[in-house]
Amino acid sequence: GAGVSQTPSNKVTEKGKYVELRCDPISGHTALYWYRQSLGQGPEFLIYFQGTGAADDSGLPNDRFFAVRPEGSVSTLKIQRTERGDSAVYLCASSPSPGNYGYTFGSGTRLTVV
Amino acid sequence: QQPVQSPQAVILREGEDAVINCSSSKALYSVHWYRQKHGEAPVFLMILLKGGEQKGHEKISASFNEKKQQSSLYLTASQLSYSGTYFCGTGHCNTNAGKSTFGDGTTLTVKP
Repeated sequence: GAGVSQTPSNKVTEKGKYVELRCDPISGHTALYWYRQSLGQGPEFLIYFQGTGAADDSGLPNDRFFAVRPEGSVSTLKIQRTERGDSAVYLCASSPSPGNYGYTFGSGTRLTVV
Repeated sequence: QQPVQSPQAVILREGEDAVINCSSSKALYSVHWYRQKHGEAPVFLMILLKGGEQKGHEKISASFNEKKQQSSLYLTASQLSYSGTYFCGTGHCNTNAGKSTFGDGTTLTVKP
């Protein structure tokens, strides 16, 4: 597509529930990144994919967070047993390949855990 | 390790210049610069790579000092549209080139 698309744009969920956040990157971009951003802070790295594989998942906070990119395009970030501290804007970005290119960010999913 | 940006905030009049700094405690491979307006996604401005030269984008340019492990973003003759929060993202080795760590941003306000 023309840009990075993220759905939903807003998600309100109850504490303890499971959520899935979807990212559709720019066509042809092999690298896909997940960040989350809290108010007044910079984006915090979660995970990035090169193709279908997770090249670096060192930013995932704990085992409640998991992400997949089964066909090398669309990615889903999955959060189990959500906690109020998970509330943030989850940003997805893509680039033609990792390292030497800037990121194109999507508009984000605002997750609120109540 | 998160890079440190300075200043945290700056207020300018249209036409004035500003410099935003980004410092890392680790050797840098790359530095990205982004601008984010309230409620919107960060927008890529430029990337500087180790061994590369100073980059420019309209009236916005940046430098990369490998020895000092820092980058600076220069905004000249600022316009109202330059208002927003500027983030630097740093990459630290070519083998893990995809991971960038962002600073907490510098908020720039340009007034008429």
